[in-house]
Amino acid sequence: DGGITQSPKYLFRKEGQNVTLSCEQNLNHDAMYWYRQDPGQGLRLIYYSQIVNDFQKGDIAEGYSVSREKKESFPLTVTSAQKNPTAFYLCASRLADSSNEQFFGPGTRLTVL
Amino acid sequence: GEDVEQSLFLSVREGDSSVINCTYTDSSSTYLYWYKQEPGAGLQLLTYIFSNMDMKQDQRLTVLLNKKDKHLSLRIADTQTGDSAIYFCAGISGGSYIPTFGRGTSLIVHP
Repeated sequence: DGGITQSPKYLFRKEGQNVTLSCEQNLNHDAMYWYRQDPGQGLRLIYYSQIVNDFQKGDIAEGYSVSREKKESFPLTVTSAQKNPTAFYLCASRLADSSNEQFFGPGTRLTVL
Repeated sequence: GEDVEQSLFLSVREGDSSVINCTYTDSSSTYLYWYKQEPGAGLQLLTYIFSNMDMKQDQRLTVLLNKKDKHLSLRIADTQTGDSAIYFCAGISGGSYIPTFGRGTSLIVHP
């Protein structure tokens, strides 16, 4: 079955530690995205990548970093510079076909203690 | 850029119809989507409509698009408790890689 996986489902970290969230897709999609979701605020775009070895900042990139070394993978690192990292993180991918819809992973809930 | 607005909450009785509304600002939006998010899960695409369409029906779901007023709605017929979730409206313009999402409407279905 094709799809997007995110791991882990829940992640706990101490303040000041960097943490990396995994996102893998086997849909052969070119574009991948990272969103942050906070209660009542909808989805906010952190980073996106249209092709391998290229990525662009979204609306709230400060304190985050990404890499896109493989088409299937788009890991997100939440650094200690992110002031309020506790949130639900969603990864998505998209194939540039006629409907342009995004497919979402199940999400990772990060809690910083 | 595009703005997408939705009301935040909707409460309906089981068996009634639900109508979730969305307005957008970018008249060049080519695709408009409705996603469903259940608690603690990712977003699931429910349906989408192309900008040259006025209506799309898929089983219990009906999408209406009024391009003049830039208004999109999702009607769920015979709403069930399993329909309780957050519903997101989103739009994307031709050639863009970045959809714009509304803040989501929490649908609560009570017996």
